[in-house]
Amino acid sequence: DAGVTQSPTHLIKTRGQQVTLRCSPISGHKSVSWYQQVLGQGPQFIFQYYEKEERGRGNFPDRFSARQFPNYSSELNVNALLLGDSALYLCASSPLGGTRTGELFFGEGSRLTVL
Amino acid sequence: QQPVQSPQAVILREGEDAVINCSSSKALYSVHWYRQKHGEAPVFLMILLKGGEQKGHEKISASFNEKKQQSSLYLTASQLSYSGTYFCGTEGTGGGADGLTFGKGTHLIIQP
Repeated sequence: DAGVTQSPTHLIKTRGQQVTLRCSPISGHKSVSWYQQVLGQGPQFIFQYYEKEERGRGNFPDRFSARQFPNYSSELNVNALLLGDSALYLCASSPLGGTRTGELFFGEGSRLTVL
Repeated sequence: QQPVQSPQAVILREGEDAVINCSSSKALYSVHWYRQKHGEAPVFLMILLKGGEQKGHEKISASFNEKKQQSSLYLTASQLSYSGTYFCGTEGTGGGADGLTFGKGTHLIIQP
């Protein structure tokens, strides 16, 4: 079975631009979470979606938004990019949909560089 | 409220044992452990829940001291494949879907 897939794998943007990152969860998983991982740090929680609804949001500005589609895939959007947004963006899917976090299955991430 | 991991890095010979610690200042519902190899996705190792329930890989063992908000990951008879960065992720006792709060990681290098 296919794991969590993310696209694009690498991208370069300039300050002020907007970016959309995409994630397809493991088949049968209805929950998708997004994490930001800055070089040398652990992942930081951005969003959790379940059944197309936002279930949780981390401490990120409103420039960050996301949505989940009927097929459970998800998009993360970041507007007005800043240099500090440069990071690896990880998507994780889970079969659980409650407020508690179960086993997360991570994709390999989208590496965003902002110049 | 990021959990603190120790040590920051450890170098072992193949076959040696290691303990990685994770400490939080907030009341915890669960502790999660992941391993990430360079350029790869984090991979699930174990979940430890308040109350004693555990779920994880057979060859990995860990403990969770609920009173001290501390967890330890035990790697015995280490193999070359154990190399990577180990992250603990914590979940508080609050009711919201706040995801996991990860520590900064422990770098483990296994030498032949």
